[in-house]
Amino acid sequence: GEDVEQSLFLSVREGDSSVINCTYTDSSSTYLYWYKQEPGAGLQLLTYIFSNMDMKQDQRLTVLLNKKDKHLSLRIADTQTGDSAIYFCAEKGGYNKLIFGAGTRLAVHP
Amino acid sequence: SAVISQKPSRDICQRGTSLTIQCQVDSQVTMMFWYRQQPGQSLTLIATANQGSEATYESGFVIDKFPISRPNLTFSTLTVSNMSPEDSSIYLCSVVITEAFFGQGTRLTVV
Repeated sequence: GEDVEQSLFLSVREGDSSVINCTYTDSSSTYLYWYKQEPGAGLQLLTYIFSNMDMKQDQRLTVLLNKKDKHLSLRIADTQTGDSAIYFCAEKGGYNKLIFGAGTRLAVHP
Repeated sequence: SAVISQKPSRDICQRGTSLTIQCQVDSQVTMMFWYRQQPGQSLTLIATANQGSEATYESGFVIDKFPISRPNLTFSTLTVSNMSPEDSSIYLCSVVITEAFFGQGTRLTVV
C-alpha cells in the first residue's frame, strides 16, 4: 500500500541548513510535495517535484529526489526562526489522492 | 491554479448533532478530496468525492458517519454526523490539478 514516513523532529541553529527527509512506497507516484504548517495555521505548499526530476531549487529551498530509493529530502539554507513549523511530505498516488507523512517538527534556535 | 472556499471556518458543536461543511472551487474538477487533521496529527484522507457517483471512502471511514454530496463539478459537502468529542479536528477539502490545493479548513470542536 501507500505509505510516507518522516522523522518527527529536527532541531537546528539559526543560520545553519536544515535537511528534512522523507521516504515513500508508491513507485508510481507522479508528484511529491512539501507543505509547511505553522501553529494554528493551514497548509502552505512550499514546493513540489515531478517524479522524472532529481532536483529542484527555489531560493532557499532545494528538493532532492532519489527515485530508486524512494527518498525525498527538503533542504532549507540559512534557516531562520520563521522557518520553525511542521513540514509535511506528501506523494500523489492513485486517483490523484495525496498521502501525507506524519510531519517533521523543525525547531530553530539561536 | 484553483481557489477553494470552505465554510464554516470553525464551529463548536454539541455532541450528538451533525455539521455540514461546504467546499466551493472556482474551476471544474473531477475529484474532490476530504481530509481530517486531528490535533497534533498529520492529514488523513477521509474520502474522494466524485461527481455523479458515490464517494469512495478510505479504510476506517464510513458513509453513515461522513456522508458526502457532490452535486456538480465545483461543489461538495461533507457532513460529520452524530458527533462526539473524538471528532474534534480540522477538516479540509482539496483538489489536485498539478499542485494540490486546499481549502482554509474547518476547525471543529465537539463539546
